[in-house]
Amino acid sequence: QQQVKQSPQSLIVQKGGISIINCAYENTAFDYFPWYQQFPGKGPALLIAIRPDVSEKKEGRFTISFNKSAKQFSLHIMDSQPGDSATYFCAARRRETSGSRLTFGEGTQLTVNP
Amino acid sequence: DTEVTQTPKHLVMGMTNKKSLKCEQHMGHRAMYWYKQKAKKPPELMFVYSYEKLSINESVPSRFSPECPNSSLLNLHLHALQPEDSALYLCASSLLGLAGGPHSGANVLTFGAGSRLTVL
Repeated sequence: QQQVKQSPQSLIVQKGGISIINCAYENTAFDYFPWYQQFPGKGPALLIAIRPDVSEKKEGRFTISFNKSAKQFSLHIMDSQPGDSATYFCAARRRETSGSRLTFGEGTQLTVNP
Repeated sequence: DTEVTQTPKHLVMGMTNKKSLKCEQHMGHRAMYWYKQKAKKPPELMFVYSYEKLSINESVPSRFSPECPNSSLLNLHLHALQPEDSALYLCASSLLGLAGGPHSGANVLTFGAGSRLTVL
């Protein structure tokens, strides 16, 4: 049972364009929503994250929009660059006494053409 | 130090071999994780250690044996693996429990670069 649905599966954007990746979740126990960026052959790296009581968070060219009532959140990459070409995973975290349990979306492979 | 270091980066082994993957962090994190990632798929949780004790085993086959010798080290011992076990194995760490208060990002996972395992 997939608890975090991510779309699109792949995305091609021209340099300077806006990349938008969407995620939807079901479990209201999730309390934090990170996005990870992964380059080929590397581990996922935390890109940006948002709390459910905040509707938007911006860090440089990266913005998360969060709609708690709709249980949806999205990543916007402004002025997309070829160096942004990577796989992006949204995730939802549920904290437990034993650690943080992350549920990942299926990933979006972003290609930014020069 | 804000890194999770994994060794080796690449490992090729036969189905009868015994090998180990190693992970190290010096961020004071008391939760450590092993994930498995197949190509073009998200990471899948395998094990979680909290305070050096195994707290979560996601029904992983016994040919994978985790070990946490101390708060900074995490090992994954491999024995009698199958070709379908070939994958990128990721180690991660985080603060534990309710550190940082509710809705805090304090214990979001930090991943290592992974160990690429090929089973022949």
